[in-house]
Amino acid sequence: KNEVEQSPQNLTAQEGEFITINCSYSVGISALHWLQQHPGGGIVSLFMLSSGKKKHGRLIATINIQEKHSSLHITASHPRDSAVYICAVSERGTGNQFYFGTGTSLTVIP
Amino acid sequence: DAGVTQSPTHLIKTRGQQVTLRCSPKSGHDTVSWYQQALGQGPQFIFQYYEEEERQRGNFPDRFSGHQFPNYSSELNVNALLLGDSALYLCASSWGSIYSGYTFGSGTRLTVV
Repeated sequence: KNEVEQSPQNLTAQEGEFITINCSYSVGISALHWLQQHPGGGIVSLFMLSSGKKKHGRLIATINIQEKHSSLHITASHPRDSAVYICAVSERGTGNQFYFGTGTSLTVIP
Repeated sequence: DAGVTQSPTHLIKTRGQQVTLRCSPKSGHDTVSWYQQALGQGPQFIFQYYEEEERQRGNFPDRFSGHQFPNYSSELNVNALLLGDSALYLCASSWGSIYSGYTFGSGTRLTVV
């Protein structure tokens, strides 16, 4: 059983396109996280959400707690956005344990 | 201000051997969590250390053990290595609850041959 499901698994886009990555989860959460992982392996935190919407530059993250669904949007995509985007949730009541999705591999072509 | 530091960055071991991976948390962080990420998969939680004790553990066998030192740094030990232990091992540090923020290291790539 996967507590976190992401779609799509792989995504190829032309530079400038609007991109959406989706995440659904099955547990009660205290927070949802969007992470970016580059080929070297290091993970960078993009957003931590517990409700509503957050924006940082060209990145927008939304969450619908009732539907247990979150989306990560990238506007005006650029080749440097190419990376793996991972959705993770921290389950309510278990403290600090993350459940991770399998990631969405994004390639933006110039 | 250094972030999370993991060592070594890459490691090749033979099946049956033992390995120790190290993690130094971000300055000011007192909690260290370890994750295993197989190729093409999301990270899986191994365990978390706080105040030198294992606070939570994921679904990993006893071959995986750890330790946290008084300076909050941590080690992950894996005994009797299997080919399936080949993965990227990530360390994340935080202060108390993750809700106050966390930082991931760049990981140690372990290959078991």
